[in-house]
Amino acid sequence: NAGVTQTPKFRVLKTGQSMTLLCAQDMNHEYMYWYRQDPGMGLRLIHYSVGEGTTAKGEVPDGYNVSRLKKQNFLLGLESAAPSQTSVYFCASSYLGVEAKNIQYFGAGTRLSVL
Amino acid sequence: GENVEQHPSTLSVQEGDSAVIKCTYSDSASNYFPWYKQELGKRPQLIIDIRSNVGEKKDQRIAVTLNKTAKHFSLHITETQPEDSAVYFCAASAALGLGSQIIFGKGTRLHILP
Repeated sequence: NAGVTQTPKFRVLKTGQSMTLLCAQDMNHEYMYWYRQDPGMGLRLIHYSVGEGTTAKGEVPDGYNVSRLKKQNFLLGLESAAPSQTSVYFCASSYLGVEAKNIQYFGAGTRLSVL
Repeated sequence: GENVEQHPSTLSVQEGDSAVIKCTYSDSASNYFPWYKQELGKRPQLIIDIRSNVGEKKDQRIAVTLNKTAKHFSLHITETQPEDSAVYFCAASAALGLGSQIIFGKGTRLHILP
């Protein structure tokens, strides 16, 4: 049981390049999330999904797209990377359960630098 | 939408003393308040949480209190130890039929001084 796995762990891009970050979870969770973490800004929600085939915008969605074609995978795409997207990206998954607690299980993060 | 304010942004306490981190939230529909700890270079992990129908919850040296009327909740760490040094995030969530977002505070960097 690996939990939440993110690939890659590190990536350097040039401005204008595209890339996809992959998040995979093996806990059969319904909900999945992508956050970015910047110094002094906490964790800001980019996009999230409440089930296979669904996606929704979070707090900072501009410049990103997502897809949830399979329940266990949630992909984050950058079509044309910009230096402002330099950040650490965390994926998380959760389920509400009986007590309706939205406990987030985080991946190890992807450190992205855009030059 | 929900807005979570967290204070202070940095906190230094002597080892063995207590630390208190405070958060406020804006959406009265929020009913779940977790706290996450993030050690340097690691992922955030849940350390304690509280539901809106409870005023206080304790787990060994950590406790969380909630004042639903004032929309305040706080994390209390007693008898602090070096391993408590980390960034702590509060969060608020409202359980919705279509799934719920968690809104995080900006974090508090806690330093435990020897």
